[in-house]
Amino acid sequence: NAGVTQTPKFRVLKTGQSMTLLCAQDMNHEYMYWYRQDPGMGLRLIHYSVGEGTTAKGEVPDGYNVSRLKKQNFLLGLESAAPSQTSVYFCASSYGLEQYFGPGTRLTVT
Amino acid sequence: AQSVTQPDIHITVSEGASLELRCNYSYGATPYLFWYVQSPGQGLQLLLKYFSGDTLVQGIKGFEAEFKRSQSSFNLRKPSVHWSDAAEYFCAVVRRDTPLVFGKGTRLSVIA
Repeated sequence: NAGVTQTPKFRVLKTGQSMTLLCAQDMNHEYMYWYRQDPGMGLRLIHYSVGEGTTAKGEVPDGYNVSRLKKQNFLLGLESAAPSQTSVYFCASSYGLEQYFGPGTRLTVT
Repeated sequence: AQSVTQPDIHITVSEGASLELRCNYSYGATPYLFWYVQSPGQGLQLLLKYFSGDTLVQGIKGFEAEFKRSQSSFNLRKPSVHWSDAAEYFCAVVRRDTPLVFGKGTRLSVIA
């Protein structure tokens, strides 16, 4: 089992560019999550999904969109990147209450 | 709304010394509680969790945590710290119908 994987690991964007982060899990988990981690802020939930075809907003959803077309994949999109979106992004999945995290994507927006 | 407070932003301990990282939560009912560890440049790894039952829970890497309902606390402890324990530690709380809420983390430094 690969667990939770994230693509890419690093990315640099210019302001206004768009990109999609991919999260994949091979544990057949129903729930998937996207977090961002900023120094001194801990992890903050962006969006989450309780099953294929469903998504919901978390604590900091503005500027992001998500899609869950397949159970194993959860995509995070930035339509027009801003410097405030420079962060480390973590994906997680869960069946019950315990979440399993991916290795993270470090995104820099210049 | 539920919240998690980790009062210590940064703690430094000597190798071999004992460790206690504090975590307080704000929630009306008994929550489900977790401690995660994040080594530099890595993702989060679950150390231990409390759902119910015995209030002292054992985790991986020699860590334990005690749930104290009267103090709304779930402090993490280790009797003897190793240099490899240097990392950031996150306390988190969840209930069945809401996503996980994290504290802001405590960074642990270990000195010789």
